[in-house]
Amino acid sequence: GAVVSQHPSRVICKSGTSVKIECRSLDFQATTMFWYRQFPKQSLMLMATSNEGSKATYEQGVEKDKFLINHASLTLSTLTVTSAHPEDSSFYICSARGEAGARTGELFFGEGSRLTVL
Amino acid sequence: EDQVTQSPEALRLQEGESSSLNCSYTVSGLRGLFWYRQDPGKGPEFLFTLYSAGEEKEKERLKATLTKKESFLHITAPKPEDSATYLCAVQAIVTGGYQKVTFGTGTKLQVIP
Repeated sequence: GAVVSQHPSRVICKSGTSVKIECRSLDFQATTMFWYRQFPKQSLMLMATSNEGSKATYEQGVEKDKFLINHASLTLSTLTVTSAHPEDSSFYICSARGEAGARTGELFFGEGSRLTVL
Repeated sequence: EDQVTQSPEALRLQEGESSSLNCSYTVSGLRGLFWYRQDPGKGPEFLFTLYSAGEEKEKERLKATLTKKESFLHITAPKPEDSATYLCAVQAIVTGGYQKVTFGTGTKLQVIP
């Protein structure tokens, strides 16, 4: 299946700093990428949808100035958590979909990034 | 609002003991139902897509079925390596015409040797 790479897998930072997470589609062009957040024993919560070359669409309740998403190319999207606080600690997962996936709906996920804010 | 409910929350099986996981959904304009497997600390791994009631798909010991209100993931003669959380997700057309995927909370399966 398609491969989506996410980096870093784990990051620990101090409160008030910013953290960038990268999501790359390795063997297909991702026209759309999605960013999810997952708390322990909870479902994946969609944060935002990004289409290459355009602004991300954020879900209700997600602060766009805090969670900056950039989808500058068909293979790379980044999520920057700005001025991180302990409550931002979570498991962040990206997923990507190519043109074929737009018809089938199939999403391919990255390995996730565990963010811990001290 | 689209809803996806998975049951049971957790399931413990002996190796070889077949069972089924349930995914009930309420959604307008279903465009697809997906099953994923998620191992601890990892991203979800795609298993199946089902599009219409009556459809079935199989992969090794797993078989997914779909009705108009729910989907089942049948596990036949499971092995310890099948232990994982199984996620169900539905895709629907929402206001504005874009497709949205909603996930259930998952069923944590443990297969004991």
